[in-house]
Amino acid sequence: DSGVTQTPKHLITATGQRVTLRCSPRSGDLSVYWYQQSLDQGLQFLIQYYNGEERAKGNILERFSAQQFPDLHSELNLSSLELGDSALYFCASSATSTRGHGYTFGSGTRLTVV
Amino acid sequence: GENVEQHPSTLSVQEGDSAVIKCTYSDSASNYFPWYKQELGKRPQLIIDIRSNVGEKKDQRIAVTLNKTAKHFSLHITETQPEDSAVYFCAARPNYGGSQGNLIFGKGTKLSVKP
Repeated sequence: DSGVTQTPKHLITATGQRVTLRCSPRSGDLSVYWYQQSLDQGLQFLIQYYNGEERAKGNILERFSAQQFPDLHSELNLSSLELGDSALYFCASSATSTRGHGYTFGSGTRLTVV
Repeated sequence: GENVEQHPSTLSVQEGDSAVIKCTYSDSASNYFPWYKQELGKRPQLIIDIRSNVGEKKDQRIAVTLNKTAKHFSLHITETQPEDSAVYFCAARPNYGGSQGNLIFGKGTKLSVKP
């Protein structure tokens, strides 16, 4: 167990629907990052939150949004889903040390849009 | 923004041989370079990292080298074993984000170690 918890593990939904993916970072980590990994693709950065505020934005579609709550858990909302949104969505968190650390990833949510 | 290129996309080696994966980055201000291993269906896991003030770092059979002038870094795995088979990702963190900045990943290298 990495300490980063993602739910649900699997999600199957129809095109046009909306889903919410949830992530709880490791205890004490203030930063949460969301990544999308499509089949045989790399890790595409979507968005980062730090202590409740949006910190950086990557290639996130307008149909997608995210937020980080006071208890530091984060949710990624995907709406008007398309077949191409099917992917593995990872959340990661990082330590707050000023020396910096790599991420710790959660186990991911596999989204299938049918 | 930062761009990370990774080569090769696939690599097949015989057990016991060495494997080398190379990455280049575009932002000279990037200061942190981790490597992740992702086994099939699992989450990426950090295996080694290097900061911009260090040229080389080693951890048992794994080593990473960094050439800041050329803006490239490499992962070296010696005495490969079948359990090393996985997809390996390099990443760079641009300096503008500080220690909490987001990582930009390469597209990955699928390493296969044949027994």
